[in-house]
Amino acid sequence: EPEVTQTPSHQVTQMGQEVILRCVPISNHLYFYWYRQILGQKVEFLVSFYNNEISEKSEIFDDQFSVERPDGSNFTLKIRSTKLEDSAMYFCASKFRTSSYEQYFGPGTRLTVT
Amino acid sequence: EDKVVQSPLSLVVHEGDTVTLNCSYEVTNFRSLLWYKQEKKAPTFLFMLTSSGIEKKSGRLSSILDKKELSSILNITATQTGDSAIYLCAVDNNAGNMLTFGGGTRLMVKP
Repeated sequence: EPEVTQTPSHQVTQMGQEVILRCVPISNHLYFYWYRQILGQKVEFLVSFYNNEISEKSEIFDDQFSVERPDGSNFTLKIRSTKLEDSAMYFCASKFRTSSYEQYFGPGTRLTVT
Repeated sequence: EDKVVQSPLSLVVHEGDTVTLNCSYEVTNFRSLLWYKQEKKAPTFLFMLTSSGIEKKSGRLSSILDKKELSSILNITATQTGDSAIYLCAVDNNAGNMLTFGGGTRLMVKP
């Protein structure tokens, strides 16, 4: 069964460093998303991406964040200068098309900023 | 601001019990409500509900949406220890560009 994959599973970085989290969405899906979940808190929407551009972003997704689909398979989230409060589980999700289809989530990348 | 609230926050039952988990929402441009199960990491999809009053069923799990009451319930019958997880409710709005999640219900099923 097709699934969303994410790498790495765990990333430890120092404050101020740049990190890139990688995702490979399900191959025929057209909509891509990043969410984060700080330990013990709700899953929060960060950004949605369709047709090679951001279609929606939350207040969390400030200038320190960027997303890219560098080729036909990968979808990346970059955090330019990490802060302690960026420590969280980051989930990538993808959806086939339109609002009639559910989002499928990857296993997540746990980001720890020290 | 869109809001999704789940209750109870946590629940401890014994194997064989039936549980009902609740989700209420206040969102603009409602499209659908989704239930996910989160065990160790990724939320795994359970149900998507778009129409009021139509029950979705998968084995021992079932769910129904009430658009008038802006709520949904997730039922699990004959619970098993493998049902222990956090159950997340989310609402898809604004043409499907984002999901707004509730805080989850942590279910523990004891043998």
